[in-house]
Amino acid sequence: QQPVQSPQAVILREGEDAVINCSSSKALYSVHWYRQKHGEAPVFLMILLKGGEQKGHDKISASFNEKKQQSSLYLTASQLSYSGTYFCGTPYYGEYGGSQGNLIFGKGTKLSVKP
Amino acid sequence: NAGVTQTPKFQVLKTGQSMTLQCAQDMNHEYMSWYRQDPGMGLRLIHYSVGAGITDQGEVPNGYNVSRSTTEDFPLRLLSAAPSQTSVYFCASSYPGLAGRETQYFGPGTRLLVL
Repeated sequence: QQPVQSPQAVILREGEDAVINCSSSKALYSVHWYRQKHGEAPVFLMILLKGGEQKGHDKISASFNEKKQQSSLYLTASQLSYSGTYFCGTPYYGEYGGSQGNLIFGKGTKLSVKP
Repeated sequence: NAGVTQTPKFQVLKTGQSMTLQCAQDMNHEYMSWYRQDPGMGLRLIHYSVGAGITDQGEVPNGYNVSRSTTEDFPLRLLSAAPSQTSVYFCASSYPGLAGRETQYFGPGTRLLVL
């Protein structure tokens, strides 16, 4: 089942903060975050694991609340380079038991950072 | 390392034509996958492979065929192209890890237009 991301789009000025949410109706054991710039491939940012773990990547951090079945991505003091579409993904479990890295992605949140 | 490579970068087909999208990786990853990306839909899993000779269907497998004869290559075949297959196709690979924690590395994508 596809995770739900909110908001669909955000426009920021440089230096402002943003939060992107990802929620699922199914129990979550891990949440993956990717960023995709226009015309390029998605690039891995981080994995959040069951246990309420928080992680950081430069000034981008994330949290995972397994009770709420939700993960949030925090972008602090945004830079122009943060512009792009952010996707969360949850493991897709197929025939062979594990996920083999495969994900069910949300529809994405488009982030635009203006000077 | 070139990482994950895809050819062609762009292709125009007529309805009913067949073609093969090529994907190769030089990271010795066991797992390889194909996704399609449509506007506002996120990425959706088409087929994946857990090793040479072993493949499985993903979320949207209809109209596509795969096989995997080597660790490095994982081609995607469209037997009879339809306009609904107009999309951007991404190949991804990953190495085995704890279930749900594998990181996928994406190729640059192939843009396909079916007229």
